[in-house]
Amino acid sequence: DAKTTQPTSMDCAEGRAANLPCNHSTISGNEYVYWYRQIHSQGPQYIIHGLKNNETNEMASLIITEDRKSSTLILPHATLRDTAVYYCIVRAFNSGGYQKVTFGTGTKLQVIP
Amino acid sequence: EAQVTQNPRYLITVTGKKLTVTCSQNMNHEYMSWYRQDPGLGLRQIYYSMNVEVTDKGDVPEGYKVSRKEKRNFPLILESPSPNQTSLYFCASSLKAGGAYEQFFGPGTRLTVL
Repeated sequence: DAKTTQPTSMDCAEGRAANLPCNHSTISGNEYVYWYRQIHSQGPQYIIHGLKNNETNEMASLIITEDRKSSTLILPHATLRDTAVYYCIVRAFNSGGYQKVTFGTGTKLQVIP
Repeated sequence: EAQVTQNPRYLITVTGKKLTVTCSQNMNHEYMSWYRQDPGLGLRQIYYSMNVEVTDKGDVPEGYKVSRKEKRNFPLILESPSPNQTSLYFCASSLKAGGAYEQFFGPGTRLTVL
């Protein structure tokens, strides 16, 4: 799986959009971009994933650049409950191939009242 | 309720005393995986299983064993635990291996080896 680079920490005012960047410059054509978050020491929670196109669900939006070398997770209206560590990872599509999953150290998002 | 369960949630043990952490999922998932999480190092994959009887090493497999005799269960075995295996452990599963399927994580097992 491709390596990802994220800022160590970010702050966001409550009610504002939180934009979390991720760099994955060595991503392969068949690798998906995934975002998870972890609140305190709970199990990581899936947020969203995408391959090429931008994606949106009830939790967030994922914007992937055209060259796929970076992406941004957008939480449109951050709340205090969104304070967590956010992980960006990439995973290969091909189920017959390389299947290790590598999490980095993530971005610690602090939502401020 | 669809979930991944782990037992025990907390365990304190001594060096060399064999232990097993169980993981079970009720979603008929093919892919299961174990991670450990240590401060400053994020989550690191220990072992994964593509399906029953198919397992392979992750990034940090030393000192661990796994087995996948049934689809729903994926126990993590520490034959001779050492203090450097003190960590927070997570089990995860996904419908299939491959990038299109998100992983569901268990609640974690906090292990302390004295």
